[in-house]
Amino acid sequence: DIQMTQSPSVLSASVGDRVTLNCKASQNINKYLNWYQQKLGEAPKLLIYNTNNLQTGIPSRFSGSGSGTDYTLTISSLQPEDVATYFCFQHNSWPLTFGSGTKLEIK
Amino acid sequence: QVTLKESGPGILQPSHTLSLTCSFSGFSLSTYGMGVSWIRQPSGKGLEWLASIWWNGNTYNNPSLKSRLTVSKDTSNNQAFLKVTSVDTADTATYYCAHTRPTGPHYWGQGVMVTVSS
Repeated sequence: DIQMTQSPSVLSASVGDRVTLNCKASQNINKYLNWYQQKLGEAPKLLIYNTNNLQTGIPSRFSGSGSGTDYTLTISSLQPEDVATYFCFQHNSWPLTFGSGTKLEIK
Repeated sequence: QVTLKESGPGILQPSHTLSLTCSFSGFSLSTYGMGVSWIRQPSGKGLEWLASIWWNGNTYNNPSLKSRLTVSKDTSNNQAFLKVTSVDTADTATYYCAHTRPTGPHYWGQGVMVTVSS
């Protein structure tokens, strides 16, 4: 199975900050990497698919990059409504696997 | 507009079989490239992919649950199903179904809480 490691596990930042979340796969996942946002008490929401494709309706302050085993989600200017846990997810090979999440907080 | 809603028993006893239904609209499981995935999340913990079923009937299960999982679909009624046999307390979680494309799960249902308890 491909292991997905996210860092940091908790991130605290100020409104307006540029924020970067990291995800590392245990082997090459060929850019088949998605990012999901989960707010407290809600279902996950797709933000980015296949590394850098913004899902319809998602604000442009969210962007993704990466290749091989290393991927990042960037929020260009953190907003209060971005408080959530963010999960990466690989769909390169079965079984599909999620990272353990990064909890994003506002300072 | 794609919507999905999970339904299930709420609570069941250890060793019993969990049966979940995903009722959806806005897409068809007979359309090329469409699928439904099942994912679960124990309270306060991370996400675990369980299984996916595709428009052509192909299914993929998480081998970590060995042979306990069965996923199926009723295309005519826009429903997908998940069965988990021999449940125990470790299966207590919120279970989600998600509209899935070759680019992964896109739209998710609200989830259904399942508690395994005697």
